[in-house]
Amino acid sequence: NAGVMQNPRHLVRRRGQEARLRCSPMKGHSHVYWYRQLPEEGLKFMVYLQKENIIDESGMPKERFSAEFPKEGPSILRIQQVVRGDSAAYFCASSPPTGGLTDTQYFGPGTRLTVL
Amino acid sequence: KQEVTQIPAALSVPEGENLVLNCSFTDSAIYNLQWFRQDPGKGLTSLLLIQSSQREQTSGRLNASLDKSSGRSTLYIAASQPGDSATYLCAGPGGTSYGKLTFGQGTILTVHP
Repeated sequence: NAGVMQNPRHLVRRRGQEARLRCSPMKGHSHVYWYRQLPEEGLKFMVYLQKENIIDESGMPKERFSAEFPKEGPSILRIQQVVRGDSAAYFCASSPPTGGLTDTQYFGPGTRLTVL
Repeated sequence: KQEVTQIPAALSVPEGENLVLNCSFTDSAIYNLQWFRQDPGKGLTSLLLIQSSQREQTSGRLNASLDKSSGRSTLYIAASQPGDSATYLCAGPGGTSYGKLTFGQGTILTVHP
């Protein structure tokens, strides 16, 4: 059973370009979470999605950031017009469809975004 | 709003020592708490999840406890090994959706031979 997969593992973009980060949850998981880890800072929640629905986006910056989890295919975190401050490690996690209070979140290896 | 604090920020011990990592949280209405390990440049590995109805969980040399009334959790590592060197993170649910985890800043553990 493959774990949570993220690609690319490393992404370099110039200021003003778009970044697309992909996350494939563990098999059978229908809940996806995105977190960001800025240099020298802790992990911060960004968004929680279920298939075709955004459940909680309270951690998403108001502009330039969007996320989706379509019925088919991976979850996508999209950052438009990237700036240097977007350089960070972006982690995706998934959990089972039970949505229970005791469900462990399983994390992917992360995508390290560098904005030049 | 849930806030999670971990102390110490860094810890260096000789191999073989038993050690305790501390985590405190502000919202006592916590329904579970997770401990993770993060190796440099890598993702997070879930170590233990303690449900609110439990007081502790054990896995091998690891034991985690949860005291909701005091807002504290501890991770006990027995007979530490150099391979235990990593950053240890605790996380509790925060916000209105239970899927949202609030992380502490982590404890950087170094176990030297």
